[in-house]
Amino acid sequence: AQKITQTQPGMFVQEKEAVTLDCTYDTSDQSYGLFWYKQPSSGEMIFLIYQGSYDEQNATEGRYSLNFQKARKSANLVISASQLGDSAMYFCAMREGLAAGNKLTFGGGTRVLVKP
Amino acid sequence: GAVVSQHPSRVICKSGTSVKIECRSLDFQATTMFWYRQFPKQSLMLMATSNEGSKATYEQGVEKDKFLINHASLTLSTLTVTSAHPEDSSFYICSAPRPGGIQTGELFFGEGSRLTVL
Repeated sequence: AQKITQTQPGMFVQEKEAVTLDCTYDTSDQSYGLFWYKQPSSGEMIFLIYQGSYDEQNATEGRYSLNFQKARKSANLVISASQLGDSAMYFCAMREGLAAGNKLTFGGGTRVLVKP
Repeated sequence: GAVVSQHPSRVICKSGTSVKIECRSLDFQATTMFWYRQFPKQSLMLMATSNEGSKATYEQGVEKDKFLINHASLTLSTLTVTSAHPEDSSFYICSAPRPGGIQTGELFFGEGSRLTVL
């Protein structure tokens, strides 16, 4: 069964507008971490934002915010004021347990294309 | 600058040959490293967890004799694709946990290695 689901394979967004990327997850652990990574065409993986399962506040990092709805098991990424450089693949990922050495499981990704 | 360095970034080889990919942590020690494989336009699939001083832990369906992993030191893990075939062509990415990162458990990723087997 899929542990991380990203239902949007691709999205267009107008420059300067906000975009929400969906992510739902499945775990029976009480302790887990949720991540978003950006992968431009160069292939590198760029860490964007992290949300721990016990964090009560939604995580924010600059133009990125994570809409964490624990009961619904969703962790949507919101990118505000989109820029042309935001065009990339975006992956949601989950780490079960809190140990930093635990592996990440990735969703299928969402390709975002920002239009000028 | 990069905190995890991967080499080579691109490699083209003939079918039947073996290819070694190196993953180094820079300025920090990594007792654990992860190797992922990514097919075009697809997600990252974990292949194995590399453990310094012990055998790697392979994910289900990954051939351990095909993909040899050696965690030779606290800063180096290598992935060797043995007797490569065209279906092994892919993008291979290594990663290491951020030191002291129980707060985030963030992974540092290497730049990736694109393998093409002719």
